[in-house]
Amino acid sequence: EAQVTQNPRYLITVTGKKLTVTCSQNMNHEYMSWYRQDPGLGLRQIYYSMNVEVTDKGDVPEGYKVSRKEKRNFPLILESPSPNQTSLYFCASSLFRDREDRRGNEQFFGPGTRLTVL
Amino acid sequence: GNSVTQMEGPVTLSEEAFLTINCTYTATGYPSLFWYVQYPGEGLQLLLKATKADDKGSNKGFEATYRKETTSFHLEKGSVQVSDSAVYFCALIDLNNNNDMRFGAGTRLTVKP
Repeated sequence: EAQVTQNPRYLITVTGKKLTVTCSQNMNHEYMSWYRQDPGLGLRQIYYSMNVEVTDKGDVPEGYKVSRKEKRNFPLILESPSPNQTSLYFCASSLFRDREDRRGNEQFFGPGTRLTVL
Repeated sequence: GNSVTQMEGPVTLSEEAFLTINCTYTATGYPSLFWYVQYPGEGLQLLLKATKADDKGSNKGFEATYRKETTSFHLEKGSVQVSDSAVYFCALIDLNNNNDMRFGAGTRLTVKP
């Protein structure tokens, strides 16, 4: 079954304790992305990756790190979490289309990770 | 930059009522447009999409038409059901800008029996 998996699904932690949220996809997608979802703000992109070893900042990258050592995995790292990073996090993946390809590249989303930082 | 604006919720309807959720966009290029749905406790799922002007996306009784002249992609359904209760997100992807993807803030729909 084609899917994006995230772990853990729920996490409660304390300020300053490093954590990693894993993301894995089995669709051989080039493009992967992390979002956070907050009430009234929709989804905001944290980081994205267009392929292995290629990552770039999204709209709200402060306080986060990512890596893309393998095509299927795209972990999100919070080196020193703070309470303002309490949120619902989604990983997503898609094929990477060039500008001539109008088929559209919808993103496939993981189930989400609800993070609470005390 | 690119952005998506959709009508604020929450929206509460009775079963079998007509639904419209407005969505407009701003884009530097020629984006593809999407509607995603998020059921309680789940991730986002693609509901429908349109990749060029005048295309109509449809799925599960929902429809949306890509209107380039008004930069809109309004979601409609003729007769909603209780099972349609969810949060709906309008989104665009800009293939001319590293596949930059933008989402609206989401509209929560509640359908009452």
